[in-house]
Amino acid sequence: GAVVSQHPSWVICKSGTSVKIECRSLDFQATTMFWYRQFPKQSLMLMATSNEGSKATYEQGVEKDKFLINHASLTLSTLTVTSAHPEDSSFYICSAFWTSTDTQYFGPGTRLTVL
Amino acid sequence: AQSVTQLGSHVSVSEGALVLLRCNYSSSVPPYLFWYVQYPNQGLQLLLKYTSAATLVKGINGFEAEFKKSETSFHLTKPSAHMSDAAEYFCAVTIQGAQKLVFGQGTRLTINP
Repeated sequence: GAVVSQHPSWVICKSGTSVKIECRSLDFQATTMFWYRQFPKQSLMLMATSNEGSKATYEQGVEKDKFLINHASLTLSTLTVTSAHPEDSSFYICSAFWTSTDTQYFGPGTRLTVL
Repeated sequence: AQSVTQLGSHVSVSEGALVLLRCNYSSSVPPYLFWYVQYPNQGLQLLLKYTSAATLVKGINGFEAEFKKSETSFHLTKPSAHMSDAAEYFCAVTIQGAQKLVFGQGTRLTINP
């Protein structure tokens, strides 16, 4: 149990385009999901907390208009990187919080490359 | 506020040797503590967690960790390293009722044949 999927696992896009990443909790419901960014050989940097049915909460320094988050159901959150630029290239990881276990479960990550 | 310090960004052990990855935490209230493992180009997998029950916690893949309040530590151990244990390990802390995790900087474990 407690499986979280992400789609796509990798994506390459041109500068100026938008990219959507999906995060799904497959066998539990999650009112709260999290989006992280990870640079090579570094720890995870929390970008935002995604709350089902309400607006996301962004960490300081994260542009909410650039990284759009939608948590439309108890099993799906999406992150859209708008007008992507090469500096947005990174490994994006989502997690879903399962209240039954008080634990975050992580997706496999999405590698974004912006050309 | 909570914080986590992982001592040693890189640990190297021989196959079959003891694995010890160090994690110290800071929290003004009783913490929940987690160890996650990350293999290259993958997400994080939960190894084990402490949520105020038994202080010695057993996880997957033969790992275990002991919560020591007096030392504010939650070190991860495995008696005998296997080549497949080579990965990045993250210690994280939160508190009851708070869902956000605070991560350490990670420790890269290398296993020598």
